[in-house]
Amino acid sequence: KAGVTQTPRYLIKTRGQQVTLSCSPISGHRSVSWYQQTPGQGLQFLFEYFSETQRNKGNFPGRFSGRQFSNSRSEMNVSTLELGDSALYLCASSFEGNTYEQYFGPGTRLTVT
Amino acid sequence: KNEVEQSPQNLTAQEGEFITINCSYSVGISALHWLQQHPGGGIVSLFMLSSGKKKHGRLIATINIQEKHSSLHITASHPRDSAVYICAVRGPWDSNYQLIWGAGTKLIIKP
Repeated sequence: KAGVTQTPRYLIKTRGQQVTLSCSPISGHRSVSWYQQTPGQGLQFLFEYFSETQRNKGNFPGRFSGRQFSNSRSEMNVSTLELGDSALYLCASSFEGNTYEQYFGPGTRLTVT
Repeated sequence: KNEVEQSPQNLTAQEGEFITINCSYSVGISALHWLQQHPGGGIVSLFMLSSGKKKHGRLIATINIQEKHSSLHITASHPRDSAVYICAVRGPWDSNYQLIWGAGTKLIIKP
C-alpha cells in the first residue's frame, strides 16, 4: 500500500497570501488529521476529518480551515498568512480515528516571508 | 504544568548503550502512543499500549497505569536510532478528547 502523501513538500509564501496544502491518505483510511509543528512547540493539533466531516478542531484561528473529499483526500487552507504560520504541516491518516494508530505523511514545510 | 511530561528533553549516548526515555501524565487515559520523528520530519508510530509491555525488535515500551508513567527503552542503541521520540496520551475510550502530546525527547547516538 502506498503511504500518506503530501503536496507540495516545500512552499514559500509572503505575508497576507493564502495557501492550500494537500494530503492523500492511505487507501481505505477514513480519518485525516492535520498538525502544525514549530521548533520548540511540538505537535499542535489543527483538525480531524472523518468521512468528509470535521470531527474535531484544535485551538487555531479561523484562518485555518480544511475539508475532506469523498475519496478521503484532504486539503488544508490558511488565509492571510502571518510570519508565525511558518512551520512543518503534517497530516496523518488512520482507519478508525486519530487516537488510534496513525500514519504520518512527510509534511509540507511552509515558510512565510 | 503540562499534562504530558517527557524526560529527558535531550539525551546523548554512545552506540551500544541502553536507553530509557520517560513519559509521565496527569490525566486519566485509555492508551498511550510512542512515536519516532527523524530529522527531516517523518513520523512513525512505534507503539500504542494500554497496559503492560510491548516489544518490537530492540524497542520496548512499558506502561504503569497506576503510576501514570510510561517508559520507552532501546537496547543496543545504534546511530540510526537518533531521532526525536514523542509520547502522546488518549483520554478515556468514551471521550472525544484529542491526543495530548509530549514535547519530545531528542536522542543522539554517537558511533
